[in-house]
Amino acid sequence: GAGVSQSPSNKVTEKGKDVELRCDPISGHTALYWYRQSLGQGLEFLIYFQGNSAPDKSGLPSDRFSAERTGGSVSTLTIQRTQQEDSAVYLCASYGTSGWGTDTQYFGPGTRLTVL
Amino acid sequence: AQSVAQPEDQVNVAEGNPLTVKCTYSVSGNPYLFWYVQYPNRGLQFLLKYITGDNLVKGSYGFEAEFNKSQTSFHLKKPSALVSDSALYFCAVRDVDTGRRALTFGSGTRLQVQP
Repeated sequence: GAGVSQSPSNKVTEKGKDVELRCDPISGHTALYWYRQSLGQGLEFLIYFQGNSAPDKSGLPSDRFSAERTGGSVSTLTIQRTQQEDSAVYLCASYGTSGWGTDTQYFGPGTRLTVL
Repeated sequence: AQSVAQPEDQVNVAEGNPLTVKCTYSVSGNPYLFWYVQYPNRGLQFLLKYITGDNLVKGSYGFEAEFNKSQTSFHLKKPSALVSDSALYFCAVRDVDTGRRALTFGSGTRLQVQP
């Protein structure tokens, strides 16, 4: 596709429910990242996928957070038993390793998650 | 560990005047440096990057940034500000030598350009 897409754009859920957030990276990009942007704060790295390598999960804040990337393309971030502190904008980015845009992460529009 | 500091929460400038948004970084190895802009309810848009080569980097919308290794800075500049430049600006760094590909972002600087 032309850019990184994310769905849904907004998600409101009740505390304790599970949510799934989806990211479609730029076609051909082998690397994919998830970040979290909390209100009034900067961006916090969550997880990184690169090709078939084991993902870098060092930024996940708790074991309620997990992510997978199927077929080296689409990724899903799952938050189990959501808490109010999980409310944030979740941003996905993809990264090209060849040609123009190498070493540059391109971001999707984000999913705004609100936990009531 | 890598870190980024954006010392100003907000920068105010009159339209037509030059603008500077400050950024300093800390890495143990060599840095890749980036500036992104975020408009309300939008994702981050890439502005420019420093990888290697010329210290003065030119990017989108007339923005440029100067890499200063001795001062570990990468300030964003524009000669003549536009009202439409009003947005949230993020500086980010990646330490090339660690192999870690995640970006570390600053806390952001809100640029307000007055007409």
